Amino acid sequence: GQNIDQPTEMTATEGAIVQINCTYQTSGFNGLFWYQQHAGEAPTFLSYNVLDGLEEKGRFSSFLSRSKGYSYLLLKELQMKDSASYLCAVANTDKLIFGTGTRLQVFP
Amino acid sequence: DTEVTQTPKHLVMGMTNKKSLKCEQHMGHRAMYWYKQKAKKPPELMFVYSYEKLSINESVPSRFSPECPNSSLLNLHLHALQPEDSALYLCASSQLPGLAGNNEQFFGPGTRLTVL
Repeated sequence: GQNIDQPTEMTATEGAIVQINCTYQTSGFNGLFWYQQHAGEAPTFLSYNVLDGLEEKGRFSSFLSRSKGYSYLLLKELQMKDSASYLCAVANTDKLIFGTGTRLQVFP
Repeated sequence: DTEVTQTPKHLVMGMTNKKSLKCEQHMGHRAMYWYKQKAKKPPELMFVYSYEKLSINESVPSRFSPECPNSSLLNLHLHALQPEDSALYLCASSQLPGLAGNNEQFFGPGTRLTVL
């Protein structure tokens, strides 16, 4: 079966750093995507990892360990606009299988 | 043009109605997708079109009928829906079929469907 788990909700303070974890067990693996989705809007692409290690993109970084079935998204210098849902998704041939999503609330 | 557009934004329909959702992209992408998203849940894949041919149907009930008239357009025809089909319907596209090599999906804003 396919299982992708994330914490349901997280809170953090403006200016802080937050790490959102994702663990997965899937029958295939062609890479892992992170998407951001504001309420009522479409998901937007944040990052992609297919090899182990850290990928950095401005305030956002994403890490992958394939042997552990584990990824995290690191958000630095949090801003109020970062309040959104963060979706981890595993690419399995032609399919993108989404995790449960993490709702992040940033407080002033 | 780097966006996926969807119409209508909102749709309310009765269980006996027939309606269609439309999706369009002009990025030259050759793979297009339909997802269903319920409130506070992740998107669930419904259909995948690769080079205008249906390549994946995730056991979706026949009251949902996809159509890809050309490489830029994707429709979802709806007939005899149930109230539990109320959801946000998202369309997405990617440059090529398959998701290897950072072939990211671009999502449209979605159609919020309510079935009465």
